[in-house]
Amino acid sequence: QQQVKQSPQSLIVQKGGISIINCAYENTAFDYFPWYQQFPGKGPALLIAIRPDVSEKKEGRFTISFNKSAKQFSLHIMDSQPGDSATYFCAASGADKLIFGTGTRLQVFP
Amino acid sequence: DGGITQSPKYLFRKEGQNVTLSCEQNLNHDAMYWYRQDPGQGLRLIYYSQIVNDFQKGDIAEGYSVSREKKESFPLTVTSAQKNPTAFYLCASSFSSGLNTEAFFGQGTRLTVV
Repeated sequence: QQQVKQSPQSLIVQKGGISIINCAYENTAFDYFPWYQQFPGKGPALLIAIRPDVSEKKEGRFTISFNKSAKQFSLHIMDSQPGDSATYFCAASGADKLIFGTGTRLQVFP
Repeated sequence: DGGITQSPKYLFRKEGQNVTLSCEQNLNHDAMYWYRQDPGQGLRLIYYSQIVNDFQKGDIAEGYSVSREKKESFPLTVTSAQKNPTAFYLCASSFSSGLNTEAFFGQGTRLTVV
């Protein structure tokens, strides 16, 4: 019930393409769904987040799509750039814990 | 500059030794957390603290201990009871004890057992 399942484990995209990472959760008490971006040797940093009262949130090239009934949410990176190459983590939080997915390593080739 | 500072960046431990990882924040956050990161396993919660002098076990607390004597500081001790301590350790903090606000992470400490 506390798990957040993330896929794919790794993703290779050409520059200018769309990167899509998917996550699914089980606990309906989760009420905050952030995405974090992590570069090698660094701590994760918040990229974008959504609450379950909206179905989509867009910030620049990054969009979260949220499907409450399916208990799924996804990150779309439009016009992917080599600088987007990093590991991406979805997460979900409820009363007192922030549960992370297992991460997706994104590589964007020029 | 406000932020979270973890030290040291790299740490080597001999088997059977206890080591303490430092985490300090000047963001005036109430809540602080320790995560362990292993390849392919995401971030797993070790301990978290919502207020000074109080903390709770996370999902993988065995072999670890923490203290929260000051709001700014949340050190993690990796004890000799932790059988596989080699990992990347991340400290985080947030305003809300409910965790449904942004968590800020430090730069991590890479611990290696030699």
